[in-house]
Amino acid sequence: AQKVTQAQTEISVVEKEDVTLDCVYETRDTTYYLFWYKQPPSGELVFLIRRNSFDEQNEISGRYSWNFQKSTSSFNFTITASQVVDSAVYFCALGGSGNQFYFGTGTSLTVIP
Amino acid sequence: DVKVTQSSRYLVKRTGEKVFLECVQDMDHENMFWYRQDPGLGLRLIYFSYDVKMKEKGDIPEGYSVSREKKERFSLILESASTNQTSMYLCASSSHPGQGNQPQHFGDGTRLSIL
Repeated sequence: AQKVTQAQTEISVVEKEDVTLDCVYETRDTTYYLFWYKQPPSGELVFLIRRNSFDEQNEISGRYSWNFQKSTSSFNFTITASQVVDSAVYFCALGGSGNQFYFGTGTSLTVIP
Repeated sequence: DVKVTQSSRYLVKRTGEKVFLECVQDMDHENMFWYRQDPGLGLRLIYFSYDVKMKEKGDIPEGYSVSREKKERFSLILESASTNQTSMYLCASSSHPGQGNQPQHFGDGTRLSIL
């Protein structure tokens, strides 16, 4: 089955704290792709990153970093020194051999000033 | 930048009405998608299309239909709106049909209320 699990429904942190959003996936495909999206209160989902199954290198972009581990089927997202503008719902998604994506149920992050 | 435009941000309709939600993308993408988003359920795929006049059912197609007469436009139709179709509707597009390796680009969403 193709499935993405985001076990954390809601997280609250105080500004400047680090926070990690968890994503666990299941897939039968040997080649697959993992994505993170951010949905601010305005509603539009914004694409953040894509990772393919052959590339397990971690990625860092400013305060954002992603840890992909095939051994645990996880693709976790860390925000360092969180800011109020990071408050949003974050979705992890899985793409495979077809057109369809499989989205997790999302994690709502609130950063308290 | 990819631009996906949904015709309305907010829409209020009555039970039994036929409702049209329109979506236009400007990047010549082959794939287009309609999702609904409900609290605690994430995004659920209603229908998608990988070419003009082609459509595929997603996970929750019941009560909906779609139309894709032109490449840039994908319409979602609620044949007879019901209160359980009150939701946020999101349209997306992507390139390279048959491959799940391209990011989907989303519109701002339409918050639909059925009274």
